[in-house]
Amino acid sequence: GAGVSQSPSNKVTEKGKDVELRCDPISGHTALYWYRQSLGQGLEFLIYFQGNSAPDKSGLPSDRFSAERTGGSVSTLTIQRTQQEDSAVYLCASSSSRRVLGSSTDTQYFGPGTRLTVL
Amino acid sequence: AQSVAQPEDQVNVAEGNPLTVKCTYSVSGNPYLFWYVQYPNRGLQFLLKYITGDNLVKGSYGFEAEFNKSQTSFHLKKPSALVSDSALYFCAVRESYGGSQGNLIFGKGTKLSVKP
Repeated sequence: GAGVSQSPSNKVTEKGKDVELRCDPISGHTALYWYRQSLGQGLEFLIYFQGNSAPDKSGLPSDRFSAERTGGSVSTLTIQRTQQEDSAVYLCASSSSRRVLGSSTDTQYFGPGTRLTVL
Repeated sequence: AQSVAQPEDQVNVAEGNPLTVKCTYSVSGNPYLFWYVQYPNRGLQFLLKYITGDNLVKGSYGFEAEFNKSQTSFHLKKPSALVSDSALYFCAVRESYGGSQGNLIFGKGTKLSVKP
């Protein structure tokens, strides 16, 4: 079946502009994750959705970052007033989130990522 | 706090030789451990995971990993390397107990280079 898809694959923007990144998870996956991959920071977790809810937004690097998920499916990550340090590859992952002892054992499947370049 | 260490930035292997990519972890409870591979300009591809049970886990493309609780390690191995195995490999850990969001904590990655 179809995997996780992300759009756009590449985004070049000017400093100060807003950007929206989209993630389409695998159909039926209730859990959705956003990560950021950059040269200096490696792979860092941003936010997690279970259904449409994001219980903890503390992984978002600043208040310029926000995310939402609608209908338990598509998610958008919005970065307002982009800065050069926001340049990175933004990865989305989804899992079916079967829980054992309160924590998910399921594999997270990743999309191809969106490469964001802020000039 | 959870953490993962991949002590080698790069591993060089000749084609046909066995390969090992090292990973050690630190968690407060029982770990769930994962290996992912990333080819250039691609997302992360799942290779294998350890949740519980047999310490030797077999995964995709002939890779396997051995969970060693006493050494807190989860090294990735393959008996005979292929040039096409050249990629960036990430080890990741997740806490097994409730309260966790389930997000993965990744190592810095190890670049595997397999030469003909």
